[in-house]
Amino acid sequence: EVQLLESGGDLVQPGGSLRLSCAASGFTFNSYAMSWVRQAPGKGLEWVSTISGTGVGTSYADSVKGRFTISRDNPKNTLYLHVNSLRDEDTAIYYCAKPRTTEAVTVFDSWGQGTLLTVSS
Amino acid sequence: EIVLTQSPATLSLSPGERATLSCRASQSVNTYLAWYQQKPGQAPRLLIYDAVNRATGIPARFSGSGSGTDFTLTISSLEPEDFAIYYCQQRSNWPPVTFGGGTKVEIK
Repeated sequence: EVQLLESGGDLVQPGGSLRLSCAASGFTFNSYAMSWVRQAPGKGLEWVSTISGTGVGTSYADSVKGRFTISRDNPKNTLYLHVNSLRDEDTAIYYCAKPRTTEAVTVFDSWGQGTLLTVSS
Repeated sequence: EIVLTQSPATLSLSPGERATLSCRASQSVNTYLAWYQQKPGQAPRLLIYDAVNRATGIPARFSGSGSGTDFTLTISSLEPEDFAIYYCQQRSNWPPVTFGGGTKVEIK
């Protein structure tokens, strides 16, 4: 059974930094690209970033480019999102998501429960 | 960036009724469109991928259709557990991956 468990969310001041983590199990982690998707309170879904299975290829939404960095530790089966220069509008639940297949990397069939990042002074 | 517009924003129906949800893309996404269901306090769940394919474990009352710019999610007969928010998502031209704004299906 696929399991994704996010952690690291917290209350952070504007301009601050944090690292979000997603521990994965139940599948061959290094075979799958992985993604972060976020949801602001009461709002819709927003794709944030995707990283290839090897970790070499990365993509970002324009809203986070240059401030967020996605990475992964394949031996530890863990995905990360390093968030810097935080703004109020980054307040959201951050979900880790696994694709349905190794080819269609942005069809998300497994999601974690999410971790809440709140940016506020 | 491909913009996805979902309509209506809210759909008020009774259990047993048919639900028809629309998703329109600002440019063609071929059939690279997915639908997700989200209930309060829960993560999204994949329902349909590549416009017409049901994901594993999804009941047959859920069906998807469309190609190019116009897509439809149909729930043939609403069950109590189907009242939720539904999002469409495209992967035709990414980055970025984009989602629609959502349609809330509520009990009338």
